[in-house]
Amino acid sequence: GEDVEQSLFLSVREGDSSVINCTYTDSSSTYLYWYKQEPGAGLQLLTYIFSNMDMKQDQRLTVLLNKKDKHLSLRIADTQTGDSAIYFCAEGARAGGYQKVTFGTGTKLQVIP
Amino acid sequence: DADVTQTPRNRITKTGKRIMLECSQTKGHDRMYWYRQDPGLGLQLIYYSFDVKDINKGEISDGYSVSRQAQAKFSLSLESAIPNQTALYFCATQGINTGELFFGEGSRLTVL
Repeated sequence: GEDVEQSLFLSVREGDSSVINCTYTDSSSTYLYWYKQEPGAGLQLLTYIFSNMDMKQDQRLTVLLNKKDKHLSLRIADTQTGDSAIYFCAEGARAGGYQKVTFGTGTKLQVIP
Repeated sequence: DADVTQTPRNRITKTGKRIMLECSQTKGHDRMYWYRQDPGLGLQLIYYSFDVKDINKGEISDGYSVSRQAQAKFSLSLESAIPNQTALYFCATQGINTGELFFGEGSRLTVL
């Protein structure tokens, strides 16, 4: 079945870059997502990448996809204290008429001032 | 107002009690989901619904039931709550194009 793995914790200093990594197993994934969960809140989509893309950049965020190795990463440039949150990697695979989404365990990002 | 609203936000109950968590949405989406979040385990899918007549079990449906009263409403019930159902529960809707999920704020349930 589908499996998505990511490390549980990452600590960085304010102003440094953060890189959160994720591996997945389903080769039929069509979308790969990054969701952000701030304390006391639900998950919110941060960005996504279509499976036929290698990279997507959106302001301070860079998503890299290595489809051969089934590896996804999220880079946050100039990390700020407001970036402290849990980041979930997720893969979407087409199943019938919808995207079946499988989440990783989440990586808690701690930004040290 | 939030697009996906969950009630209650917090609930403490005792073992054996029946609990209902409610979810309503204004996104107009047909697809709705209930997830459970435990620390270090990510999100686990409990039930999902594609429309009012289509209810499907997720990976951890035992001990839970759902009702899709209307396109906008999807409720989760614990018929007889037990302590290991203590968790944070999320309702979500799903868009069609990219499969983006839109989450509610969560319902924190504690079973004593």
